[in-house]
Amino acid sequence: NAGVTQTPKFRVLKTGQSMTLLCAQDMNHEYMYWYRQDPGMGLRLIHYSVGEGTTAKGEVPDGYNVSRLKKQNFLLGLESAAPSQTSVYFCASNRWGINEQFFGPGTRLTVL
Amino acid sequence: AQKVTQAQTEISVVEKEDVTLDCVYETRDTTYYLFWYKQPPSGELVFLIRRNSFDEQNEISGRYSWNFQKSTSSFNFTITASQVVDSAVYFCALSIITQGGSEKLVFGKGTKLTVNP
Repeated sequence: NAGVTQTPKFRVLKTGQSMTLLCAQDMNHEYMYWYRQDPGMGLRLIHYSVGEGTTAKGEVPDGYNVSRLKKQNFLLGLESAAPSQTSVYFCASNRWGINEQFFGPGTRLTVL
Repeated sequence: AQKVTQAQTEISVVEKEDVTLDCVYETRDTTYYLFWYKQPPSGELVFLIRRNSFDEQNEISGRYSWNFQKSTSSFNFTITASQVVDSAVYFCALSIITQGGSEKLVFGKGTKLTVNP
């Protein structure tokens, strides 16, 4: 099992560009999450999904969109990147009823 | 509101010293879970422990131990005989139930531990 994987690992964008981060898990987990980590802020929840075709807003959803078309994938989109979105993004997943979240390795995004 | 406070931003110790990382949480839920994660310099998040709100037994795993006290809403983490490899950022987290019935984690801001040789 690969667990939770994230693509890409690093990315540099210019202000206004768009991109999509891909999270994939092979553990058949129902729940998936996107967090961002900023220095001194811990991890903050952006969006989450409780199943295929469903998404919900977390603590800091503005400027991001998500989609969960397949159970194993959770996409995070930035339509018009801003420097404030420079961060490390973590994806996580867990099985329904088992609340230990498994984290991906992270994506380091820089917006210039 | 649910909140996790890790008051210690950075701690520096010398190898073989014991060190305790503090975690204080706030929640109105009667059922909840508490977690500790380790983030080494390589950046990944490593799960250390989960504790549910009904189990106040302290736990020991090798050099790691956890002290859960509901009376003070604290879930402190102690490393005994610290080693350089323990250098990392440690996060405490609280699991809460959303309106939709899913669970999500609320993280503290982390404590950066540096263990010097």
